[in-house]
Amino acid sequence: ETGVTQTPRHLVMGMTNKKSLKCEQHLGHNAMYWYKQSAKKPLELMFVYNFKEQTENNSVPSRFSPECPNSSHLFLHLHTLQPEDSALYLCASSQDWGDSPGLPYEQYFGPGTRLTVT
Amino acid sequence: GIQVEQSPPDLILQEGANSTLRCNFSDSVNNLQWFHQNPWGQLINLFYIPSGTKQNGRLSATTVATERYSLLYISSSQTTDSGVYFCAVPNSGGGADGLTFGKGTHLIIQP
Repeated sequence: ETGVTQTPRHLVMGMTNKKSLKCEQHLGHNAMYWYKQSAKKPLELMFVYNFKEQTENNSVPSRFSPECPNSSHLFLHLHTLQPEDSALYLCASSQDWGDSPGLPYEQYFGPGTRLTVT
Repeated sequence: GIQVEQSPPDLILQEGANSTLRCNFSDSVNNLQWFHQNPWGQLINLFYIPSGTKQNGRLSATTVATERYSLLYISSSQTTDSGVYFCAVPNSGGGADGLTFGKGTHLIIQP
């Protein structure tokens, strides 16, 4: 148990469906991340949220839409996905130093949502 | 962007053996994390090690930032050590910063 939970753990959806992935962290962190892990590829960063503001979008297609209503919750809204979007989607969280610079903080990951697009 | 390479890509050992996993990175970093991914996909934090050496039970890690590499040592391997081991470094200076991962070392410990 890392303090980061994700739901659902497994999801099968058709290409015309709309679904959402949910992530919640119980660590008091203020930065949250979405990563994608496809078969035979390294984990890839998708989005970064810091103090609820999106600070990085790693050239992700618009069919993936993130939402961060507060520092503890992160969503990934999915619509009109393609079969090649099938992957393990991992959420992570970390602390941030705000205005005082310092070393990057350790990231903690949730168990992931295994998505299959049919 | 920064490149991360891990070796070997695959490693098969007998229970009780020792192993060394290597992570090379292309630019200077101020943080490095080692993870173990279990068969269900969960990434488990092993070490947060920007420099120096740390030990946790049968596992230890060393990062030599000036030479741009890190090593993960596993001693007296157990079957539960099987899985994929990743190293990851921040994309830029730090703060809320995404990580760049290597492709991992797939470790199989046979009884």
